[in-house]
Amino acid sequence: NAGVTQTPKFQVLKTGQSMTLQCAQDMNHNSMYWYRQDPGMGLRLIYYSASEGTTDKGEVPNGYNVSRLNKREFSLRLESAAPSQTSVYFCASRAGTGPQPQHFGDGTRLSIL
Amino acid sequence: RKEVEQDPGPFNVPEGATVAFNCTYSNSASQSFFWYRQDCRKEPKLLMSVYSSGNEDGRFTAQLNRASQYISLLIRDSKLSDSATYLCVVNQKVTFGIGTKLQVIP
Repeated sequence: NAGVTQTPKFQVLKTGQSMTLQCAQDMNHNSMYWYRQDPGMGLRLIYYSASEGTTDKGEVPNGYNVSRLNKREFSLRLESAAPSQTSVYFCASRAGTGPQPQHFGDGTRLSIL
Repeated sequence: RKEVEQDPGPFNVPEGATVAFNCTYSNSASQSFFWYRQDCRKEPKLLMSVYSSGNEDGRFTAQLNRASQYISLLIRDSKLSDSATYLCVVNQKVTFGIGTKLQVIP
């Protein structure tokens, strides 16, 4: 029962480096999401993809790009990492619109020095 | 006003106590509501959906008050294992509350 799989689980970057966080789900869900969670801030939506081929900005999209590669995979890219992007990143998926809950991956703990 | 607001706590309660959390939302058109549980440094996990008529799952009861635009979570007979952060979610824009931290004390 893999559900939502995120890689890597931990990463340390230097300011200015780039990297891509990977997310894959095996539940045939239409919608996928990327959040960041910082102490005292709760979960904040970065980008989401309501269906394969579409992506939309969330609350805090600056400094990030996303790709919905296919129905299973939704990646998050930091082109030039900044210390302010140090956070825990969660990917989630949902069957579709309407009253469906989200399912989360384990998270990626990213530190930018 | 934030879209979803929760008291961050912490709520420190003794074992066996009953505790309730509220979560208010601003968008009256919101249609779906959930409570999630998040343990320290772990991913959020669905605790229960919130239905218009209210619903119960064991020691947990969720209610929706559309007129006052809030949802609630009641935990009866608190266990040490209930210690966690409880997040409310309003799905109009998949907006999470900041979470309410619960600490159950032996």
